[in-house]
Amino acid sequence: KQEVTQIPAALSVPEGENLVLNCSFTDSAIYNLQWFRQDPGKGLTSLLLIQSSQREQTSGRLNASLDKSSGRSTLYIAASQPGDSATYLCAVTSGNTPLVFGKGTRLSVIA
Amino acid sequence: NAGVTQTPKFQVLKTGQSMTLQCAQDMNHNSMYWYRQDPGMGLRLIYYSASEGTTDKGEVPNGYNVSRLNKREFSLRLESAAPSQTSVYFCASSKFIGGDPGELFFGEGSRLTVL
Repeated sequence: KQEVTQIPAALSVPEGENLVLNCSFTDSAIYNLQWFRQDPGKGLTSLLLIQSSQREQTSGRLNASLDKSSGRSTLYIAASQPGDSATYLCAVTSGNTPLVFGKGTRLSVIA
Repeated sequence: NAGVTQTPKFQVLKTGQSMTLQCAQDMNHNSMYWYRQDPGMGLRLIYYSASEGTTDKGEVPNGYNVSRLNKREFSLRLESAAPSQTSVYFCASSKFIGGDPGELFFGEGSRLTVL
C-alpha cells in the first residue's frame, strides 16, 4: 500500500528566504506526483505535476524535483513571500488507484 | 471557468438525519472522487468513480453511498449522519485513473457538522 510522508509538518520562515519542502513515498512505481496548495478554508489548487519520466518541473518561483528510485520529491520555493503562506500537499498516482496524499506541510512566511 | 462545483458549501445536521452532497464538473473528465479532510488525518478517499457507470470504495467508505448520475455528476449520500462524519468533504475529478490520469482538480469543499 502506497504511503506518502511530508516533512516538516509545519515551517515558519522570514520573508525572502528560499525553502524546501519534502515528500517521500514508499512505492517507487508511480505514474506521476502532484504538488498542491491549500489556503485556509479553501479547496486544493494544483501547483505542479511531474510525470514519472521527468526529473523536475518549474513554475515561476516554484521548482519541484522527483527522484523516483529513492521515493522522494522536493518543492523548492525561491524568495518566499507572505502570500506563499498556505498548506502544501503532495500526492502520487500508482497502479490503477486514485491519488494518495501526504498530510501536508503548513508554511508561514513572516513579513 | 467553473471546473468542479460542490453544493452545499455548509451544512449542519442532527444525528440520524440524511443528506446528499452534490458535485458536478465541466471538464469532460471520466473519473471523479470524494475525499474527506480531518485535522491530523489528511485527505482520505471515501469513494471514487473511474468512469460513468462505475463506483468503487476508497479508504473510508462506511456510512456513505455514492451515485455517478452521468459523466458530469457524482453525488455522496449520508444515510444516517453521525458526529464522526463531521468533516470537510471535497469532490475532485481527473481525466481518468491509472496510467497518466493528468491533473486532479478539486472543488471548494463542503463543510458538514453533525450534532
